[in-house]
Amino acid sequence: DADVTQTPRNRITKTGKRIMLECSQTKGHDRMYWYRQDPGLGLRLIYYSFDVKDINKGEISDGYSVSRQAQAKFSLSLESAIPNQTALYFCATSGGFTTQYFGPGTRLLVL
Amino acid sequence: DQQVKQNSPSLSVQEGRISILNCDYTNSMFDYFLWYKKYPAEGPTFLISISSIKDKNEDGRFTVFLNKSAKHLSLHIVPSQPGDSAVYFCAASAWSGAGSYQLTFGKGTKLSVIP
Repeated sequence: DADVTQTPRNRITKTGKRIMLECSQTKGHDRMYWYRQDPGLGLRLIYYSFDVKDINKGEISDGYSVSRQAQAKFSLSLESAIPNQTALYFCATSGGFTTQYFGPGTRLLVL
Repeated sequence: DQQVKQNSPSLSVQEGRISILNCDYTNSMFDYFLWYKKYPAEGPTFLISISSIKDKNEDGRFTVFLNKSAKHLSLHIVPSQPGDSAVYFCAASAWSGAGSYQLTFGKGTKLSVIP
């Protein structure tokens, strides 16, 4: 079984809809992250969390919110999706300092 | 302002030859550097890393070199294999306070190894 799982793997939604992307991990890590990848732009950090009570904004948090329901679960919400949020979204975890381990990604298309 | 730069979007190499992927950075506070490899439809996977106190780290066919004075690092793959064909991301880490390290990623280089 994968250490970091993301659901759904693919999602098509319409402008204005609220959607949630979910991430679960079995690595026992405290730290979890959400990134988005756009063609030619690499990975950019949206939000991160160091434990259940800790939530921090990343580089591009506008239009997104997160919830850390448990040590193993970290969800990303788009309250009102817009087309420029079409991207590949990755969840990642880390147990210590620097090395992060990524999930398989969620491909989101906002029409 | 891009703090981690991978100036070559793509690279093609013959199987068996050396692949050299380059990365430049501007933030002198970066103290740890990582390379990730990404296949289509999969998440990035950690490949190799190097601390700023070292100038070389090896792991099998993969070697990362760090030149702090030039703010430059490179990943060498020898010999290159078709299975190495993927997008490679360079990432740099700096302490951002409050118990946190954050990774800053380059835009990636797509490596194609030709059989």
